[in-house]
Amino acid sequence: GAVVSQHPSRVICKSGTSVKIECRSLDFQATTMFWYRQFPKKSLMLMATSNEGSKATYEQGVEKDKFLINHASLTLSTLTVTSAHPEDSSFYICSAREGDREMFFGPGTRLTVL
Amino acid sequence: GQNIDQPTEMTATEGAIVQINCTYQTSGFNGLFWYQQHAGEAPTFLSYNVLDGLEEKGRFSSFLSRSKGYSYLLLKELQMKDSASYLCAVTPYGQNFVFGPGTRLSVLP
Repeated sequence: GAVVSQHPSRVICKSGTSVKIECRSLDFQATTMFWYRQFPKKSLMLMATSNEGSKATYEQGVEKDKFLINHASLTLSTLTVTSAHPEDSSFYICSAREGDREMFFGPGTRLTVL
Repeated sequence: GQNIDQPTEMTATEGAIVQINCTYQTSGFNGLFWYQQHAGEAPTFLSYNVLDGLEEKGRFSSFLSRSKGYSYLLLKELQMKDSASYLCAVTPYGQNFVFGPGTRLSVLP
């Protein structure tokens, strides 16, 4: 099956710093990529949808200036958590889809903000 | 709005059969997906239904009734490794996915 990678898998940072998470589709062109956030024992919460070459569409309640998303190519999307605070600590998962085909998830990034 | 319901938790015995239900009310429908997610890991794809009926794939089967807004995932010959969360997701339109809250399945020996 298709493979989606995320980097880093785990990151610990100090409050106030920015963290960038990369999501790559390794063997297909991802026309659409999604970013999710997941709290322990909770389901996935969609943060934003990004299409290559255009601005991301953010879900209600998600601050676009806090969570910067760039989808510069058909194989790479990045999520930057700016001025991170402890409440931003979470499991961030990206997923990618080529057209109408099934969606594949990255392995996730666990962010801990001290 | 979009709404997807699943039972929060289920328990079953190794070797048994379990059915996880999913009901949805969405503004459109382009397909329904089931994903498995083990704790601390990303979800993995299990099945996809876009037409009514049963799709069988090994020990896992998924059923869809569009008129009833209803799907179920059937797991046969349960194994301990099947203990995980099972997520039902609907694509109402375009590329968007809407996920249900997930069902945590515990398989007991």
